[in-house]
Amino acid sequence: AQSVTQLDSHVSVSEGTPVLLRCNYSSSYSPSLFWYVQHPNKGLQLLLKYTSAATLVKGINGFEAEFKKSETSFHLTKPSAHMSDAAEYFCVVSFSGGYNKLIFGAGTRLAVHP
Amino acid sequence: GAVVSQHPSWVICKSGTSVKIECRSLDFQATTMFWYRQFPKQSLMLMATSNEGSKATYEQGVEKDKFLINHASLTLSTLTVTSAHPEDSSFYICSARIQGGVGNEQFFGPGTRLTVL
Repeated sequence: AQSVTQLDSHVSVSEGTPVLLRCNYSSSYSPSLFWYVQHPNKGLQLLLKYTSAATLVKGINGFEAEFKKSETSFHLTKPSAHMSDAAEYFCVVSFSGGYNKLIFGAGTRLAVHP
Repeated sequence: GAVVSQHPSWVICKSGTSVKIECRSLDFQATTMFWYRQFPKQSLMLMATSNEGSKATYEQGVEKDKFLINHASLTLSTLTVTSAHPEDSSFYICSARIQGGVGNEQFFGPGTRLTVL
């Protein structure tokens, strides 16, 4: 079965410090992996995606993620948090043979303190 | 590019009434659209996959007679919540795939908040 696990439901960082949001996936097929961000009462915005090209993926707003097949992980990082980064982040997996469905992780709420 | 809109952005209705939510791809054609619901502080759950010109495919546990989906054109899908009840109150989000697009990326609408009194 295909699944995605976000290891932290809440992450709190100080402004200017690094951000790490962890994600592990389970897939029998070659996965596509995404990170989306959702601000309160808003839709989802794509941060970055991995689709079997380079394993280190750079996204918008300074975020990046590294696909590690041996660890089945796709952790999201940012060197320096900004107050505007406070939001809900979803790790999402899709896979060939899955009729293009997206499987969402439970989400990680990122809080950024001054 | 790849903008998806939803209308209305929020709606309040009385129990027993029906509510229609529209999802439009503004600058691309979408043969496939998806409908999700999101309860407070929870993740998105796929309700159904909407294919232009054919019947929608519903996920297990989603009542197709209650959540009517129509995908009449390559840029419009509608979700009608029939005989709405308070437990149907939720945030409904649609997404769309670009026709002929590469990969499984979906573009999401801003969501519709439904409150049933």
